[in-house]
Amino acid sequence: GAGVSQTPSNKVTEKGKYVELRCDPISGHTALYWYRQSLGQGPEFLIYFQGTGAADDSGLPNDRFFAVRPEGSVSTLKIQRTERGDSAVYLCASSLGTDNSPLHFGNGTRLTVT
Amino acid sequence: GNSVTQMEGPVTLSEEAFLTINCTYTATGYPSLFWYVQYPGEGLQLLLKATKADDKGSNKGFEATYRKETTSFHLEKGSVQVSDSAVYFCALNGGSNYKLTFGKGTLLTVNP
Repeated sequence: GAGVSQTPSNKVTEKGKYVELRCDPISGHTALYWYRQSLGQGPEFLIYFQGTGAADDSGLPNDRFFAVRPEGSVSTLKIQRTERGDSAVYLCASSLGTDNSPLHFGNGTRLTVT
Repeated sequence: GNSVTQMEGPVTLSEEAFLTINCTYTATGYPSLFWYVQYPGEGLQLLLKATKADDKGSNKGFEATYRKETTSFHLEKGSVQVSDSAVYFCALNGGSNYKLTFGKGTLLTVNP
């Protein structure tokens, strides 16, 4: 079946602009996660949704970052006033949301801020 | 806080060679330990996991044993194939299944 889909696969934007990154989870997965992977680093946790609500947003670096999941399926990660340091691969994952259910990752969106 | 340190790459091996990628961790409590793999052009995939001390995770010929006394979870495979070329990430969760802490990743290239 279809996996986690992230769009766009690549995004280039100018410093100061606003961007939206989209994640389509696997159908039936109630839990959704965003991670960020900077060059040469492992992924770092940003935010976790259980259904429509953000159960844990402790990984968001500052108030320029925001994520929504209004209908409990598709999620959008929004970054305001982008900075060059925001350049990274943004990964989305989903799972059934039960204990120890594995995370299924998308291929990521590569964001470049010029 | 939690942290994972894994062997820096890149690692280059010939087909059928033995593979070890070292991973050590620091964590409070009793984390579960994972190895994820990222093949070229694909998303991260769970390779194997272990949830308690002395457990051995295994999949596709890869193995790793949860060693609490040495806080390690080294990945091994007896005979690598070209198709094993990928980036391998060691990770742990600190009791929250979703809040994984990853190592920096190790690039493995297997030559025919």
